Amino acid sequence: TQLLEQSPQFLSIQEGENLTVYCNSSSVFSSLQWYRQEPGEGPVLLVTVVTGGEVKKLKRLTFQFGDARKDSSLHITAAQPGDTGLYLCAGIHGNNRLAFGKGNQVVVIP
Amino acid sequence: SAVISQKPSRDICQRGTSLTIQCQVDSQVTMMFWYRQQPGQSLTLIATANQGSEATYESGFVIDKFPISRPNLTFSTLTVSNMSPEDSSIYLCSVEERRTGGSYEQYFGPGTRLTVT
Repeated sequence: TQLLEQSPQFLSIQEGENLTVYCNSSSVFSSLQWYRQEPGEGPVLLVTVVTGGEVKKLKRLTFQFGDARKDSSLHITAAQPGDTGLYLCAGIHGNNRLAFGKGNQVVVIP
Repeated sequence: SAVISQKPSRDICQRGTSLTIQCQVDSQVTMMFWYRQQPGQSLTLIATANQGSEATYESGFVIDKFPISRPNLTFSTLTVSNMSPEDSSIYLCSVEERRTGGSYEQYFGPGTRLTVT
């Protein structure tokens, strides 16, 4: 079973549209991280959310950590082709190691 | 944040052979990690490489198949031994940095794309 479930797995939108992707778990995490991975590259850390209910903004990206610290969402406003990539969420679990979801593949069409 | 490089960036190998992947970090780090990312799957931790001690392997991964070296605080290698097509994957090296407040953040190399024929 996957510790972190990400949905939707694949999302294709037009440039300028908004989108939201989700990362859900039945487990509580002390923190969650979001990464973006582009083809041929390793994942790049975007943000770490630590406090339940926390909202962090990174330009047009808004990250929210659920109140119960079991889930998180990523909202992109006015998506650009440069936002295309695989968005991975990750959380520290029992053995103090990061567990990753399968990712949300986002494609922004010019 | 740490800057990580990996060599080779990609390779196509024959089954039954072995490939050693190198990971170089631009700063000294205590812990280095090796991940596998198979198509359509999440990143799976193979092992944690500590300098001066044997690597710690995750369930499902063994030293005979994935021997790891960690000769100093900036370098590690992962060998994929006796390869089969099922080993075709992206292999990623990463390091961990601790942030104020106690959270950890991981930084990844660009990955090595391995295809076994």
